[in-house]
Amino acid sequence: SAVISQKPSRDICQRGTSLTIQCQVDSQVTMMFWYRQQPGQSLTLIATANQGSEATYESGFVIDKFPISRPNLTFSTLTVSNMSPEDSSIYLCSVEEASNYGYTFGSGTRLTVV
Amino acid sequence: GESVGLHLPTLSVQEGDNSIINCAYSNSASDYFIWYKQESGKGPQFIIDIRSNMDKRQGQRVTVLLNKTVKHLSLQIAATQPGDSAVYFCAETPYGNKLVFGAGTILRVKS
Repeated sequence: SAVISQKPSRDICQRGTSLTIQCQVDSQVTMMFWYRQQPGQSLTLIATANQGSEATYESGFVIDKFPISRPNLTFSTLTVSNMSPEDSSIYLCSVEEASNYGYTFGSGTRLTVV
Repeated sequence: GESVGLHLPTLSVQEGDNSIINCAYSNSASDYFIWYKQESGKGPQFIIDIRSNMDKRQGQRVTVLLNKTVKHLSLQIAATQPGDSAVYFCAETPYGNKLVFGAGTILRVKS
């Protein structure tokens, strides 16, 4: 299965600032997905990132708050903008596998906003 | 986005016993289902999947059962080990290739 590297693994940020999370995959993939996992909860899809086009956002998530870049088939970034304590979560990227491994996830970025 | 489950239920089992984790999925149009295991500080790890044209699939020590009539999915773990302690999530694909997660279950294995 694909190997996904996410950076940073964790960060503590001041409210009002922005953080960009990077996701690097060791193989070319068509679709990359960004999820949020709030403390003690399940995963919620934020958006789907396709190379060469704008990301598609799920209900409740907007581009101004979570801008996404997808410059090539192995890399994507998610920015959490103008952060508030409510943005404290784990943010995960994921790719769809062409083989029989479903969807593979990175290890996540644990964000704390103070 | 869709997300369910504000408080995760907990299943406690004795080491060596079999575990059964249940999941009610939401969309009858879903045709692909996956079980994930998430350990503390890690991303979800693929365990086993099943397509809607099947009702049972077996892996190594794990079995997934799918009941489309009642939209129910279960994960059976045989001879549960301490290393199986984690949070388990079911996920479905109701909208093309978007993966929607169900509420998780905490599995605690007592030695």
